[in-house]
Amino acid sequence: NAGVTQTPKFQVLKTGQSMTLQCAQDMNHNSMYWYRQDPGMGLRLIYYSASEGTTDKGEVPNGYNVSRLNKREFSLRLESAAPSQTSVYFCASREGTGGFGEQFFGPGTRLTVL
Amino acid sequence: GQSLEQPSEVTAVEGAIVQINCTYQTSGFYGLSWYQQHDGGAPTFLSYNALDGLEETGRFSSFLSRSDSYGYLLLQELQMKDSASYFCAVRGRTDSWGKFQFGAGTQVVVTP
Repeated sequence: NAGVTQTPKFQVLKTGQSMTLQCAQDMNHNSMYWYRQDPGMGLRLIYYSASEGTTDKGEVPNGYNVSRLNKREFSLRLESAAPSQTSVYFCASREGTGGFGEQFFGPGTRLTVL
Repeated sequence: GQSLEQPSEVTAVEGAIVQINCTYQTSGFYGLSWYQQHDGGAPTFLSYNALDGLEETGRFSSFLSRSDSYGYLLLQELQMKDSASYFCAVRGRTDSWGKFQFGAGTQVVVTP
């Protein structure tokens, strides 16, 4: 099992460019998450998906869109990148929707916006 | 809303014991969990407390007091590989169903 995979690992964008960060999990998990982590800070939730076709905003959703087309994949799109979106982006998945369970994280995408 | 507070940094020598505290404020409470993150790596799950008391997993233990809105992670017999950031996280019960909030993290520095 690969667990949670993310592509790309690194990306440099210019202000105003768009891009999509890809995330996939092979653990048949229901819940998937996108977080961002800025230097010296904790993880902040951008968007959450409890199941295919459903998404919900997190703490910092502005400037992002997400898509959960199937159970495995959850993508994050930046329509018009801004320097404030320079960050490390982590995707995570969890088996349940309610209750409590371990989140499994991908290796991260390191994004720089110039 | 939810907020969590934990110390920014703790330094200790190999073999010592370190306690990382986490206080939280939530509109509802479902559980407190802990994650470890090495520099440049992904967070990995360490432990979870839903009920009051101590949970032990090898050299690591986690404690919760719901009446005090407080928990801690105890690292025993510290090893150099324990140098990392440690995050507490909570999940509320109400409109934040399924969503988690993380603390800013505690950097643990283990010295020889």
